[in-house]
Amino acid sequence: AQSVTQLGSHVSVSEGALVLLRCNYSSSVPPYLFWYVQYPNQGLQLLLKYTTGATLVKGINGFEAEFKKSETSFHLTKPSAHMSDAAEYFCAVRETGFQKLVFGTGTRLLVSP
Amino acid sequence: DGGITQSPKYLFRKEGQNVTLSCEQNLNHDAMYWYRQDPGQGLRLIYYSQIVNDFQKGDIAEGYSVSREKKESFPLTVTSAQKNPTAFYLCASSKATGGNSPTYEQYFGPGTRLTVT
Repeated sequence: AQSVTQLGSHVSVSEGALVLLRCNYSSSVPPYLFWYVQYPNQGLQLLLKYTTGATLVKGINGFEAEFKKSETSFHLTKPSAHMSDAAEYFCAVRETGFQKLVFGTGTRLLVSP
Repeated sequence: DGGITQSPKYLFRKEGQNVTLSCEQNLNHDAMYWYRQDPGQGLRLIYYSQIVNDFQKGDIAEGYSVSREKKESFPLTVTSAQKNPTAFYLCASSKATGGNSPTYEQYFGPGTRLTVT
């Protein structure tokens, strides 16, 4: 079965610093990969997705992620953190042919002034 | 505006009572999902439905039931058999996108926080 591992339940950065949130997946077939963001007491919002084609994917709010098949990774980055980026981020994988998503346990991003 | 609505936002119940959480979508999506979210555990799939009048158990279906009588609606009932029902519940929907290679990206509602005492 497919699975997702997010390294680090909490990541702290200063405003203006690089954001790097790590996601590794396991899948027996080429995966579809997603990053979602969740603000407190709200639902999840799609940040970006990888299906096929270009391995560097750009999303909303200045985030991007790179699919690296050799490393089975899909890390999320943003060059310069804003206070408004403080939230919980979830990586998810969907195997081709199935409608279900499997989510990681989430990483809470803390941004300090 | 199209979207997914969940009501109520906060729900309180006594132990032993069944409770039904509402989920409605006007996105014309075929598939709908219920997730449970607990701190540090991410999202866990309870039930999902790909078409009207059909649904499948997810990873943690015990103590829950659903119905899918209309495309727009997918209510979740938390029964008294659910041993630890206090949690944040999220409803989502998806449609096939991407031509011959659908991605089924999911769109989420705002959630219902259920507290059982």
